[in-house]
Order: sequence, then structure tokens, then C-alpha cells
Amino acid sequence: EPEVTQTPSHQVTQMGQEVILRCVPISNHLYFYWYRQILGQKVEFLVSFYNNEISEKSEIFDDQFSVERPDGSNFTLKIRSTKLEDSAMYFCASRSSPSGLSYEQYFGPGTRLTVT
Amino acid sequence: TQLLEQSPQFLSIQEGENLTVYCNSSSVFSSLQWYRQEPGEGPVLLVTVVTGGEVKKLKRLTFQFGDARKDSSLHITAAQPGDTGLYLCAGELNYGQNFVFGPGTRLSVLP
Repeated sequence: EPEVTQTPSHQVTQMGQEVILRCVPISNHLYFYWYRQILGQKVEFLVSFYNNEISEKSEIFDDQFSVERPDGSNFTLKIRSTKLEDSAMYFCASRSSPSGLSYEQYFGPGTRLTVT
Repeated sequence: TQLLEQSPQFLSIQEGENLTVYCNSSSVFSSLQWYRQEPGEGPVLLVTVVTGGEVKKLKRLTFQFGDARKDSSLHITAAQPGDTGLYLCAGELNYGQNFVFGPGTRLSVLP
């Protein structure tokens, strides 16, 4: 069964460093998302991406964040200068194939980002 | 204030018991999804409900979407220890937008 994959599973970085989190969405899906979950808190939306551009973003997704789909398969989240409060699980999700609109959204296993 | 409320926040029951958890909002959703999440893992999709009043069954789990599409419930029959986990509901206000997550119900089923 197709699944969303994410790498790395765990990333440790120093405050102020740049990190890139990678996701491979389900093949032929059209919508891509990044969410984060701070330990013990609820899942929060960061950004959605459709048709090679950002379609929606939350207040969390400030100028330090950017997303890219460089090669038609990978979907990346970059944090330019990490802060301690960026420590969280980051989840990628994808949905909907061109064959028809689908409501189901599938999540990857997450990347645990630890900023020290 | 949270767009989606879930209750109860915690639930601990014995194996074999039945339970219902709730997801409530004052907003109308185009679709609502239920997920189960294990510690350190991503949410796993259980079901999507789209039509007001819709009922979906997944083995011992029964999901219902409210008539007004503002709320939903998850009923588990004869709970088993393997049902233990964090149950999340997530609503989508308009198709293609992001999903807003509730805080979750943490279920513990004791053998």
C-alpha cells in the first residue's frame, strides 16, 4: 500500500542552524501539507501546497520557514534559523489523486526535530 | 478557544467495555476525519465522514457525523488493549484547506 515517507526520523541541530526536512508524498497525490506537534500538544497546521505553490499557511509559518517541491517527488520543509521552540515532531501529509477528489489525508511517520 | 473540542480528554476502561468519545465544534465542516496516534508516530487515518448524519463502521468502531456536520462521535464496542492510543478528530472547513485538529482523547484499555 502506498505511504508517505519522511527523512530523517530524528534530527538534532543547534539553535540558529538551518534544517531541511524531507518528505516523499504518495505518488500522484496533488495536495501536500506540513504539520507539527510539540510534545504533549495537539497537531498544528503549518502550510499546504498545491499546483507548485503555497495555497494556505498558518501564523506559525513565518519567514523562517519555506517549502519546496524540487523534483516532482520530494516535498521539503526548510527552517532557516532554528529556535528552541521549533523542537517538535513534523509531519508531512498528502491527499487526492488526479482521478478524482478524495477527502482522505495520509500522514507520514514524522521527523522529530530537537533544537539545542 | 479551540475550533474542535474533544471529550473526554482521558479515558481508562477495562477490556470488553464499550465507550464513546466526542468531537464538537460550532463550525460546519466539509469533512471530518478520525485518526489514531501512537507515541512518537504519525496519525493513522481511521475514517473520513463527509455527509451529515453519515455512519461508518470499521470492525468494532462506529463513527457518526452529526446532521449539521459540526460534530462527530466514535463508539468502540468491546474495547481491547490494542485499542489503546490517542484518538484525534480533524475537520476541514472547505475542501482543499488544511485540517484543524482537536486535542485528542487518550484511551487506555486495561486487560
